[in-house]
Amino acid sequence: SQTIHQWPATLVQPVGSPLSLECTVEGTSNPNLYWYRQAAGRGLQLLFYSVGIGQISSEVPQNLSASRPQDRQFILSSKKLLLSDSGFYLCAWSGDSLQETQYFGPGTRLLVL
Amino acid sequence: SQQGEEDPQALSIQEGENATMNCSYKTSINNLQWYRQNSGRGLVHLILIRSNEREKHSGRLRVTLDTSKKSSSLLITASRAADTASYFCATAPGNAGNMLTFGGGTRLMVKP
Repeated sequence: SQTIHQWPATLVQPVGSPLSLECTVEGTSNPNLYWYRQAAGRGLQLLFYSVGIGQISSEVPQNLSASRPQDRQFILSSKKLLLSDSGFYLCAWSGDSLQETQYFGPGTRLLVL
Repeated sequence: SQQGEEDPQALSIQEGENATMNCSYKTSINNLQWYRQNSGRGLVHLILIRSNEREKHSGRLRVTLDTSKKSSSLLITASRAADTASYFCATAPGNAGNMLTFGGGTRLMVKP
């Protein structure tokens, strides 16, 4: 069966520090991968998605970047965090189509102080 | 703008009552999906209904789709305190190359 992991679960970082969040998927090949951000009590904002290794599409211009160095690994990064980067970050995967069911990881809560 | 919009934004009911949440969208779709999110957790897929389907069931969940009104509803029957969560609809636009898009969600509270 497929599983998706995210780490860390919680992160407190000072403004201006770098960020690296990691997401890995097991049990499937060539998944579509997604990074979302969710503000408290709000809906999902799609940040990046990837249909293959090294292929990244950005949905919202911002202080973040994403990379996919391996088929089942998706990394969200920042060189210098802003207060507005605080939020709940969710990674998800889906099968061949961008319209298929998405399967979400447990999320990372990021607090920038 | 968001493709799917849930209504109401928040709903509070007593255990045992039914809960109905609605989702409206603006353009044609290939499918519509409902997800659940417990506080502080990831989303969990509940049901996918395709544009040529009108109703689907899964346990205590019933989803309807009215493409003429561009709307869907999620009914949870005989609600339990454990159903307390946020519920999101996600729409897959008619253009197959377009992404699944999530709405803002309905926060459901079921009081014991």
